[in-house]
Amino acid sequence: DTGVSQDPRHKITKRGQNVTFRCDPISEHNRLYWYRQTLGQGPEFLTYFQNEAQLEKSRLLSDRFSAERPKGSFSTLEIQRTEQGDSAMYLCASSRPGQGSNEQFFGPGTRLTVL
Amino acid sequence: QKEVEQDPGPLSVPEGAIVSLNCTYSNSAFQYFMWYRQYSRKGPELLMYTYSSGNKEDGRFTAQVDKSSKYISLFIRDSQPSDSATYLCAMSLTGTASKLTFGTGTRLQVTL
Repeated sequence: DTGVSQDPRHKITKRGQNVTFRCDPISEHNRLYWYRQTLGQGPEFLTYFQNEAQLEKSRLLSDRFSAERPKGSFSTLEIQRTEQGDSAMYLCASSRPGQGSNEQFFGPGTRLTVL
Repeated sequence: QKEVEQDPGPLSVPEGAIVSLNCTYSNSAFQYFMWYRQYSRKGPELLMYTYSSGNKEDGRFTAQVDKSSKYISLFIRDSQPSDSATYLCAMSLTGTASKLTFGTGTRLQVTL
């Protein structure tokens, strides 16, 4: 299966540490999205890439968060100086190029726990 | 007030029942509407994708959009225990590379 993959699936870290997550989109998809989901809530948009260009960032993406997609394939999301409020599921989604193609397919997520 | 409102449930139905799940929204500019299913501790799985008002059917699932009322629905016929999950509605402003705005999700339990 060539669905969206994310690594790691789980991450436990101590407050103040840096963490990095990776997302590999579906191979022919040029658009990649990051969302964050807390318990009992729907996913909230963080940022979006088209190829290697980061085209939109949410206000939720504080300066401790940075995302990259250097070659337009996989993407990384880094959180610096983690806080307990960063504990959440971080979801990656991708969609194919073209008009009228906003069907976004999600990966399994990375569950972050900040102690 | 959230842009997208969804009753969190839980909603419990017996096997074989018809399930109705609903969302309301406030932004009349939303054009594309989706339903996702999410099992516990998994990523959301796209079930239905619709544009503007109308109905769309796929197997046991029917999605309805009423833009005049800012109201969308998902119907599940002949519900199965495997349908037990959280159902998330989502919507976007455009059909091209637009962020999704989600409801909080409705937890559904289908009992034997």
